[in-house]
Amino acid sequence: DAKTTQPTSMDCAEGRAANLPCNHSTISGNEYVYWYRQIHSQGPQYIIHGLKNNETNEMASLIITEDRKSSTLILPHATLRDTAVYYCIAPYSSASKIIFGSGTRLSIRP
Amino acid sequence: DVKVTQSSRYLVKRTGEKVFLECVQDMDHENMFWYRQDPGLGLRLIYFSYDVKMKEKGDIPEGYSVSREKKERFSLILESASTNQTSMYLCASSLWGGSSYNEQFFGPGTRLTVL
Repeated sequence: DAKTTQPTSMDCAEGRAANLPCNHSTISGNEYVYWYRQIHSQGPQYIIHGLKNNETNEMASLIITEDRKSSTLILPHATLRDTAVYYCIAPYSSASKIIFGSGTRLSIRP
Repeated sequence: DVKVTQSSRYLVKRTGEKVFLECVQDMDHENMFWYRQDPGLGLRLIYFSYDVKMKEKGDIPEGYSVSREKKERFSLILESASTNQTSMYLCASSLWGGSSYNEQFFGPGTRLTVL
């Protein structure tokens, strides 16, 4: 698994776009980038994943740089319910020891 | 709707007790995982299983064992609970993807307190 680095915490105003960065400079060519979030007292929840193209779903957008060394998760219109810890991982295989770091604690200001 | 359920949300046990944490998934997933989560340490993998009766150690297996007798059920066992095993325990499952990772579905967690 590639090592990922995320800021410890961020905040964003309600209604604005929240941009969460992730550095994965050691990622290899066939490792996807996955994002999860964990709302307080719940288990992590899958958000989105991508390999090299930008991806969008109903929850978020994922922008991956051309060299694939970093990515940004975008929550386009943040709400108070988006307050959570966001994890970026770059796992190699389903049987590998997938590493969830400490993630980014996102706070949304009213 | 896909679901991973854990037997208890909160559990209080005494030092030395044998503790069973149960996890059930209804998605016919091959892979199942047990993590513990402590403040500042993220999620740490205890054990995972990729098939019935198969198991592999994760990063912190000491003091734990697991059992997978049926595909849908993965149990975490604390043979003799100790206070340093007080933690949030999370179960997850995913499809077997060969050399590819598939998204994991997590249960709600069990907060275990060992007195």
